[in-house]
Amino acid sequence: AQSVTQLGSHVSVSEGALVLLRCNYSSSVPPYLFWYVQYPNQGLQLLLKYTTGATLVKGINGFEAEFKKSETSFHLTKPSAHMSDAAEYFCAVSEGQAGTALIFGKGTTLSVSS
Amino acid sequence: GAVVSQHPSWVICKSGTSVKIECRSLDFQATTMFWYRQFPKQSLMLMATSNEGSKATYEQGVEKDKFLINHASLTLSTLTVTSAHPEDSSFYICSARHPLAGGGTDTQYFGPGTRLTVL
Repeated sequence: AQSVTQLGSHVSVSEGALVLLRCNYSSSVPPYLFWYVQYPNQGLQLLLKYTTGATLVKGINGFEAEFKKSETSFHLTKPSAHMSDAAEYFCAVSEGQAGTALIFGKGTTLSVSS
Repeated sequence: GAVVSQHPSWVICKSGTSVKIECRSLDFQATTMFWYRQFPKQSLMLMATSNEGSKATYEQGVEKDKFLINHASLTLSTLTVTSAHPEDSSFYICSARHPLAGGGTDTQYFGPGTRLTVL
């Protein structure tokens, strides 16, 4: 069975600082991995995804994530945090084209202070 | 492209009544849609998978007679919460699978969610 673990339910950074949100997954087949962002009372917006190929994936709003199979990780980073990045971030895994749904981590709340 | 809408965005109802939530893919056809439930400060929990023209597949622990799902067309899935009770109050989010997004791999696009409050 697939699962996702997000280390740290709450991460606080200063504006301009590096953002690092951690995600580890468990999957019996090659995974498809996703990061979504959710603003209060809104749905989820796709930040980026890894399917196959290049392990460093670039997404919207300056975010990127690197798939490390040996570490079963897919950590999300951004070199310089902006106030508008404050939101809830979810890592998710699926079995790709099998049509299965996404399995989400518990989420990480990112706070950005000025 | 790849926009998913939900209606209504917010609904308050009395205990014992039924509420219907619509999920539409506006600019693509979705043979598969998913319904999730999210409690405050928690992650999304999959409730069911909705396939156009067939019965929905429910996750373990989800009452199919209480949460009725109809996927009558390639752009519309509905979730009806029957005989709603206060414990059904939650944020319900749908997603639609876009089979051709991102180089042939499927990607789910999420609706904005519907907040249900049962009094």
